[in-house]
Amino acid sequence: SQKIEQNSEALNIQEGKTATLTCNYTNYSPAYLQWYRQDPGRGPVFLLLIRENEKEKRKERLKVTFDTTLKQSLFHITASQPADSATYLCALPYNQGGKLIFGQGTELSVKP
Amino acid sequence: DGGITQSPKYLFRKEGQNVTLSCEQNLNHDAMYWYRQDPGQGLRLIYYSQIVNDFQKGDIAEGYSVSREKKESFPLTVTSAQKNPTAFYLCASRITGPVGYGYTFGSGTRLTVV
Repeated sequence: SQKIEQNSEALNIQEGKTATLTCNYTNYSPAYLQWYRQDPGRGPVFLLLIRENEKEKRKERLKVTFDTTLKQSLFHITASQPADSATYLCALPYNQGGKLIFGQGTELSVKP
Repeated sequence: DGGITQSPKYLFRKEGQNVTLSCEQNLNHDAMYWYRQDPGQGLRLIYYSQIVNDFQKGDIAEGYSVSREKKESFPLTVTSAQKNPTAFYLCASRITGPVGYGYTFGSGTRLTVV
């Protein structure tokens, strides 16, 4: 069955540095991949979608890469700020109906 | 402003009781989804609906039921058959059609068995 794995350990970085989060998947060839941000006690918020034929996508300080050979996506936040502290989820479509399977998320903490 | 409203924010259920979680959207989205989130786990799909009066089971539908009588509304009932209902429940909706749109989520309902 399809499986998604994100770093379960929290990532702690200093303000101004680049945060890099990893999403790996197996038994799967998704047409696209999505990233979401979730704050404590809130619903996830959609950030970016990258298609299988796109190697890289940028949105302001965010950059996502998608390597279908390695079956991996990297999510970068440049010039990180304490306000970027949250849990970040990757998600892949599966079967039909627009359904998504989510990773367990990686918690990012940016210290001033 | 368009969005998804989930209510209540907190819900307490006694053993053997059925409870219903509300989800309303004014985004004119056709597809709606219910997920359950437990600590340290990814979101797991309970039920989904792509159109009014139609819905399908997700990966963990046992002990849950839904209805989709209106495009705007997709309530979830947690029945007494659900043995471990304590969790954070999230409702989401999506535009159907070309790929490129993510889910819009509500703020969630935290259900606790007392």
